[in-house]
Amino acid sequence: AQTVTQSQPEMSVQEAETVTLSCTYDTSESNYYLFWYKQPPSRQMILVIRQEAYKQQNATENRFSVNFQKAAKSFSLKISDSQLGDTAMYFCAFTLSNFGNEKLTFGTGTRLTIIP
Amino acid sequence: SAVISQKPSRDICQRGTSLTIQCQVDSQVTMMFWYRQQPGQSLTLIATANQGSEATYESGFVIDKFPISRPNLTFSTLTVSNMSPEDSSIYLCSVDLANEQFFGPGTRLTVL
Repeated sequence: AQTVTQSQPEMSVQEAETVTLSCTYDTSESNYYLFWYKQPPSRQMILVIRQEAYKQQNATENRFSVNFQKAAKSFSLKISDSQLGDTAMYFCAFTLSNFGNEKLTFGTGTRLTIIP
Repeated sequence: SAVISQKPSRDICQRGTSLTIQCQVDSQVTMMFWYRQQPGQSLTLIATANQGSEATYESGFVIDKFPISRPNLTFSTLTVSNMSPEDSSIYLCSVDLANEQFFGPGTRLTVL
């Protein structure tokens, strides 16, 4: 079974600073997909970024980037130039399939607060 | 992308009663997923609903407690039966479309 671990229950950072959220996972598979989801107080789950395990290049989406270390089974999220709207719960998630028939396994989440 | 709606958005129910949550997607999808998010917790998969067949339940979840219907490719319902305060959670449906999982806005259930 796959597991996802987020070791930082809460983090806070000043607006405009950079913050890194940690995630580790455990799997015996070689092909899989990793995600970071954001859940603001509205509780809507929003996909922030996605990484395919077979790609060596780290994914980036504007101010969001990941540091994917496959051998270490580590998948951290870096948020640059943080904004007040980044305040939310962030969940790391894992799935095996690219065909829409596999569940997501979530970490326990990191509550991120951006301080004005 | 996919637009997913859920009804109701929230409800307060009495112990021992049942609530049916509806999930509507604007695209046809093979699989729909139902998750539970207990207060302050992460998301846990309840079951996977495949149109035309019985839902597949995760360990710790049973059909008698969480019956699911999947009458077509755009709609599903989850019923929370014989509710107790421990069932107070947010229930979310999701679909996988073009290699991305989209989530509904969730149903916040409070059981008194």
